[in-house]
Amino acid sequence: NAGVTQTPKFQVLKTGQSMTLQCAQDMNHNSMYWYRQDPGMGLRLIYYSASEGTTDKGEVPNGYNVSRLNKREFSLRLESAAPSQTSVYFCASSRRRRGSPNYGYTFGSGTRLTVV
Amino acid sequence: KQEVTQIPAALSVPEGENLVLNCSFTDSAIYNLQWFRQDPGKGLTSLLLIQSSQREQTSGRLNASLDKSSGRSTLYIAASQPGDSATYLCAVRLADRGSTLGRLYFGRGTQLTVWP
Repeated sequence: NAGVTQTPKFQVLKTGQSMTLQCAQDMNHNSMYWYRQDPGMGLRLIYYSASEGTTDKGEVPNGYNVSRLNKREFSLRLESAAPSQTSVYFCASSRRRRGSPNYGYTFGSGTRLTVV
Repeated sequence: KQEVTQIPAALSVPEGENLVLNCSFTDSAIYNLQWFRQDPGKGLTSLLLIQSSQREQTSGRLNASLDKSSGRSTLYIAASQPGDSATYLCAVRLADRGSTLGRLYFGRGTQLTVWP
């Protein structure tokens, strides 16, 4: 089925370890996003990529880096994990052009990350 | 900055009731508004997308309305069922304005429980 695929689904890291969260979409969307979801905080934007080759910071970028590898793939990297980065991470994609018939977002199923 | 508020935060009702979930936003210069459903431990599933030029959208027992000038949207669920139990999130997408680049702003959700 078409959609947004995230890997891994679950991960436990020790403080200071690094890891990369992978995201791929097969809907030919231009824009891709990384959000984190925390209890009581809602969803907050970490980084986004409006189109292939561009990336920009969102609300909470500190401690993260991203790579827009190609139009399909957008990865999120934690260089030195901290307990404050324990969260559920969601990748999303959307069309960018206003004339597109469905200008909404599609979300992946999430990655549950625990940093101990 | 766009602020999105959802009321009530939680709702518990018996099966069969008709429900109204409310969403309000502070910046009326939106491009569209999207309602999502999130089941515990799962990702976000898009329910309805309303473009700023539209007044409402319907899908099965769900109807979402949009009053852009007053900064409000409602999600109406008819004849509620236990399977409707989930958290419902409202998100608005601003018109592309350079730095915002069409990002979504989320409310914190309404947690709905429908009991048999």
